Amino acid sequence: DTGVSQDPRHKITKRGQNVTFRCDPISEHNRLYWYRQTLGQGPEFLTYFQNEAQLEKSRLLSDRFSAERPKGSFSTLEIQRTEQGDSAMYLCASSLAGQSVHYEQYFGPGTRLTVT
Amino acid sequence: RKEVEQDPGPFNVPEGATVAFNCTYSNSASQSFFWYRQDCRKEPKLLMSVYSSGNEDGRFTAQLNRASQYISLLIRDSKLSDSATYLCVVKTGANNLFFGTGTRLTVIP
Repeated sequence: DTGVSQDPRHKITKRGQNVTFRCDPISEHNRLYWYRQTLGQGPEFLTYFQNEAQLEKSRLLSDRFSAERPKGSFSTLEIQRTEQGDSAMYLCASSLAGQSVHYEQYFGPGTRLTVT
Repeated sequence: RKEVEQDPGPFNVPEGATVAFNCTYSNSASQSFFWYRQDCRKEPKLLMSVYSSGNEDGRFTAQLNRASQYISLLIRDSKLSDSATYLCVVKTGANNLFFGTGTRLTVIP
């Protein structure tokens, strides 16, 4: 499968624990995005990378959240001291870089986080 | 005010019906527009881009009205397989996609 992959697909954790999710983008894509989706809502942008550089972060990305893409390939999203409000689907997407406004973002299957 | 607003539905239509979804966006500087489809518990997938002149892809027609900041999607001859949530998406700036809440469509046999 040459699409975007995410691991794990599901994560159940207790409030206060730390969790880390991984995203592997499509290999030739140099842009990688993280989104969060809660029930009944559309995905909300969290952050994006071009190669290894984190170029933009949403106000939704509190200081408990950190994302990395150390070698410009896979990325990790860590949530520290999880709260029940963090329960959501975390979606990763990748795309080509460039000025074309029509470069499609391809989404991975998501990691569903449940904080109990 | 949300960047993108759309009617969440649900829309329940019989097979063969024509159904239209609308959305509005708040940022007049938005540069590009899309409709994504999301099946239950799956990731969003691009259905079609929306161009200023309007565009059609088989049974699907998308329209953009920049003056009114309004985007529409028309589905003709609905199929059972069209049942999904349709997300109106706007790109503002270089990269960020802003999604509406989605409109849920169920096509009934």
